[in-house]
Amino acid sequence: DIVMTQSPDSLAVSLGERATINCKSSQSVLYSSNNKNYLAWYQQKPGQPPKLLIYWASTRESGVPDRFSGSGSGTDFTLAISTLQPEDVAVYYCQQYYRTPRTFGGGTKVEIK
Amino acid sequence: EVQLVESGGGLVQPGGSLRLSCAASGFTFSAYWMHWVRQAPGKGLVWVSRIDPDGTVRNYTDSVKGRFTISRDNAKNMLYLQMNSLRAEDTALYYCTREGGEHSLDYWGQGNLVTVSP
Repeated sequence: DIVMTQSPDSLAVSLGERATINCKSSQSVLYSSNNKNYLAWYQQKPGQPPKLLIYWASTRESGVPDRFSGSGSGTDFTLAISTLQPEDVAVYYCQQYYRTPRTFGGGTKVEIK
Repeated sequence: EVQLVESGGGLVQPGGSLRLSCAASGFTFSAYWMHWVRQAPGKGLVWVSRIDPDGTVRNYTDSVKGRFTISRDNAKNMLYLQMNSLRAEDTALYYCTREGGEHSLDYWGQGNLVTVSP
């Protein structure tokens, strides 16, 4: 199985400041035939189901604010929130869809400092 | 509007069985892979199973292989998860999710709670 490791487990950021979450896969999730990274990011607010934010490691889902950005390739990925807003308080998960089982990272809780 | 509505959860004793259902609407159900993802109370997301549009390809995480069976009825726009030999560690909120055209999970139900306890 591909193991997804997120860091940090939690972080507190001041409103308007930048938040950065890291995700590392135990093997590459870059598919060479199409040069796409099979990695997604999800946001889960308290009491709600997860919401897709980013797929192919860096493509924002429709309607997702542009303060959210994804980057990275191969085994190392980053989700950045450029200017943290109160509504961004949530747990964020990465997931690889390169191979079954479709494993998730352990999650990163983002709070306001 | 895409909607996924789970049902069938509840309290069951260890060793018992439950069948979760997911009613899909707002999209051509028969064209999409569908998945189940679970979340134990206060814990992270765990992928459980998936099924192809025809219902012929099914995959499971190791911890549920041989105990859980995913299935679908495209005529009724329904997804199912038959759970047998339930254990305490199966206690979780179970989400029905759709795999979108870009292969990530683009729509999620609200979840259905399964509690396995004596």
